[in-house]
Amino acid sequence: RKEVEQDPGPFNVPEGATVAFNCTYSNSASQSFFWYRQDCRKEPKLLMSVYSSGNEDGRFTAQLNRASQYISLLIRDSKLSDSATYLCVVTLSLNTGFQKLVFGTGTRLLVSP
Amino acid sequence: GAVVSQHPSWVICKSGTSVKIECRSLDFQATTMFWYRQFPKQSLMLMATSNEGSKATYEQGVEKDKFLINHASLTLSTLTVTSAHPEDSSFYICSASRALGGQPQHFGDGTRLSIL
Repeated sequence: RKEVEQDPGPFNVPEGATVAFNCTYSNSASQSFFWYRQDCRKEPKLLMSVYSSGNEDGRFTAQLNRASQYISLLIRDSKLSDSATYLCVVTLSLNTGFQKLVFGTGTRLLVSP
Repeated sequence: GAVVSQHPSWVICKSGTSVKIECRSLDFQATTMFWYRQFPKQSLMLMATSNEGSKATYEQGVEKDKFLINHASLTLSTLTVTSAHPEDSSFYICSASRALGGQPQHFGDGTRLSIL
């Protein structure tokens, strides 16, 4: 079983639509949670952190359910520029004391005019 | 702030060649640097974690003699893919962090390696 699982998509939505992505993680020791965005052949960029209390950043809302080991991302009023792959990411502690990022395979979003 | 530069961005070379990739933190001192690899349609996978001045810690399944990591200064880490073969073709990305715990991480632009 993958450590972080996501529906690969693609999700094809028209501009202005609301779209939701889900993610599950297998390791209950996961400590921090993030959504990253990755454009084709580019490095991942941090979109937002995810908290149990939920957090919102403009059109983006993220939610964490620790009991279910489930993370979500909601995008409202989709823009063409939102087309990208959205990566669900958790952190795990290494024996060295560092935290490593564990990435899901990503969910591809295509927003059309 | 928190800019990480990776060089080169694209490499094409013959099988058997060794390839060095550089990762530099331009405006901060990186206590910790990470190297990732991403194959097509797969997730980024951590290869190794390195601290300045000490040996890198490799993830299970990553050959340390194949992927040589040097973190000689607080602003530079290098990954050398020795005797690269076509199966080593991948997207290699580094990240750097100021903090001892390694978070947050700032990513370089990535290096696309193609071995013929």
